[in-house]
Amino acid sequence: GAVVSQHPSRVICKSGTSVKIECRSLDFQATTMFWYRQFPKQSLMLMATSNEGSKATYEQGVEKDKFLINHASLTLSTLTVTSAHPEDSSFYICSARAYRGQDEFSRGYTFGSGTRLTVV
Amino acid sequence: GQNIDQPTEMTATEGAIVQINCTYQTSGFNGLFWYQQHAGEAPTFLSYNVLDGLEEKGRFSSFLSRSKGYSYLLLKELQMKDSASYLCAVMDSNYQLIWGAGTKLIIKP
Repeated sequence: GAVVSQHPSRVICKSGTSVKIECRSLDFQATTMFWYRQFPKQSLMLMATSNEGSKATYEQGVEKDKFLINHASLTLSTLTVTSAHPEDSSFYICSARAYRGQDEFSRGYTFGSGTRLTVV
Repeated sequence: GQNIDQPTEMTATEGAIVQINCTYQTSGFNGLFWYQQHAGEAPTFLSYNVLDGLEEKGRFSSFLSRSKGYSYLLLKELQMKDSASYLCAVMDSNYQLIWGAGTKLIIKP
């Protein structure tokens, strides 16, 4: 089945530094990748939609200069948290839709394993 | 506005049956998803309903009523490993996923 590889799984960084999170689709081409953030005991919050070869679309309230998204190829999307602060500590998850055509949604969206970011 | 409602927490006994409800109000509808999420892990896909009725997949079944804006996930023969959060998500007219806050299911022996 479709697999999205996300790393690192956990990262601890100092306040003011930048952290890059990578998501790779291993056995399919992901023209679109979704980036989510999830705080403890809360729902998934869509941050941005990443499209291969074009600029990402950010949700309202998400700073595009702080959360840099690059989708340079059909199998790789990256999220860079720049000048991280403790309030950026969260669980970041990427997701892609692996299948196209008939019944494409019936197999759902595939998620990466998530990245637990802790900013100290 | 768009809204997905599901209970915050439910408790059930191993071997029993539990039904997790989800009601929604969205701008358009292109299907409803159920996902399972264990603590500290990413969600895993359980089911997708776009037509009214019941879809059965082994111990898990999902029901949809579009006229009522209502769905439920039915889990049978509960096992301890079913302890997790269950997320309901609706795809709106723009094919955007709107997520519920999730229902934490606690299974007791």
